Amino acid sequence: NAGVMQNPRHLVRRRGQEARLRCSPMKGHSHVYWYRQLPEEGLKFMVYLQKENIIDESGMPKERFSAEFPKEGPSILRIQQVVRGDSAAYFCASSPNRVDQQYFGPGTRLTVL
Amino acid sequence: GESVGLHLPTLSVQEGDNSIINCAYSNSASDYFIWYKQESGKGPQFIIDIRSNMDKRQGQRVTVLLNKTVKHLSLQIAATQPGDSAVYFCAETWGSQGNLIFGKGTKLSVKP
Repeated sequence: NAGVMQNPRHLVRRRGQEARLRCSPMKGHSHVYWYRQLPEEGLKFMVYLQKENIIDESGMPKERFSAEFPKEGPSILRIQQVVRGDSAAYFCASSPNRVDQQYFGPGTRLTVL
Repeated sequence: GESVGLHLPTLSVQEGDNSIINCAYSNSASDYFIWYKQESGKGPQFIIDIRSNMDKRQGQRVTVLLNKTVKHLSLQIAATQPGDSAVYFCAETWGSQGNLIFGKGTKLSVKP
């Protein structure tokens, strides 16, 4: 059973460009969470989705950031017009339900030049 | 606001010794706690979890203790090995809200 998959593993963008981060949850998991981690810090919750629905986006900036989890395909975290402050590691986690253990992917490291 | 924090940012132990990593949480409503291990360049890896109706839970070489009176969580690693070197995070959640609240992490360094 493959774990949570994320791609790309590393992404470099110039200021003003768009970044698209993909997450494929574990098989059978319909709950997806996105977290951001700055160097030397813990993970900060961004958004929680369940197939086709955003359940909680309280941790996601109101502007430039969006997330989706379509019926078919991976979950996408989209950052428009990236700025240097967006540079971080972005982790996706999945779980079979909202009260169970979350399994994390390897992360996407975004660098904004 | 509500937060999860760790007492010690770094911990250095000798191989074979036992390690204890501590965590304080402030949300008395938290009812589910998880310890994760994160190696450099990798995602967090589940170690052990505990629900608020328990005080102690044991896994292979690891034990988690929960003291709800003082809102304290600890991770004990027996016979620490070089492969245990990593950053350890505690995380909490409550009810059915879903998202985890992470502490800043403790870096464990194991000396051979």
